[in-house]
Amino acid sequence: DADVTQTPRNRITKTGKRIMLECSQTKGHDRMYWYRQDPGLGLRLIYYSFDVKDINKGEISDGYSVSRQAQAKFSLSLESAIPNQTALYFCATSDSAGSGGGNIQYFGAGTRLSVL
Amino acid sequence: AQTVTQSQPEMSVQEAETVTLSCTYDTSESNYYLFWYKQPPSRQMILVIRQEAYKQQNATENRFSVNFQKAAKSFSLKISDSQLGDTAMYFCAFMIYNAGNMLTFGGGTRLMVKP
Repeated sequence: DADVTQTPRNRITKTGKRIMLECSQTKGHDRMYWYRQDPGLGLRLIYYSFDVKDINKGEISDGYSVSRQAQAKFSLSLESAIPNQTALYFCATSDSAGSGGGNIQYFGAGTRLSVL
Repeated sequence: AQTVTQSQPEMSVQEAETVTLSCTYDTSESNYYLFWYKQPPSRQMILVIRQEAYKQQNATENRFSVNFQKAAKSFSLKISDSQLGDTAMYFCAFMIYNAGNMLTFGGGTRLMVKP
């Protein structure tokens, strides 16, 4: 089984709908991240969480919200989806330990979201 | 703010040959990490190689090596003996040391390895 699991893998929705993307991890990491990938722009950080009670906005948080339900679970919500939120979404985790292992991020397989 | 630039949107190479992917970055920080991630058609993001800025020695991982030029803020990836399985998007990424492990990515280079 994958260490970082994202569901669903693909999703098509309509403008105005609320949608939730889920991420769970079995790596025991305390830090979790949500990124969005668009062609030519690479991945950009939406939100990040250092633990259950520590959630922070990233570079492009407008139109998104998150919930850290447990150390292992971090979900991303689009309250009212719009077409320019069509993208590939990635969840990632990392440890907070020292530099030996605390700086590598491990990614899920991504969720491809299409907003019509 | 940090920026990462990959100036080659697409590249191709013949199987068994060597190819170099370019990456430049801009930062005022002195302690940081640099990464290359590979994204094959499966979409999975796979770490290829990591470089710590305080280390002068260039990182290597089997057929993958980097040319890290700190003064020039350049971090290129060399793939030797290219294989068909190397066909993928490659992303260069930057992380400030001890500042939350957030990554700043470049726009990516799509590499095609031809038989």
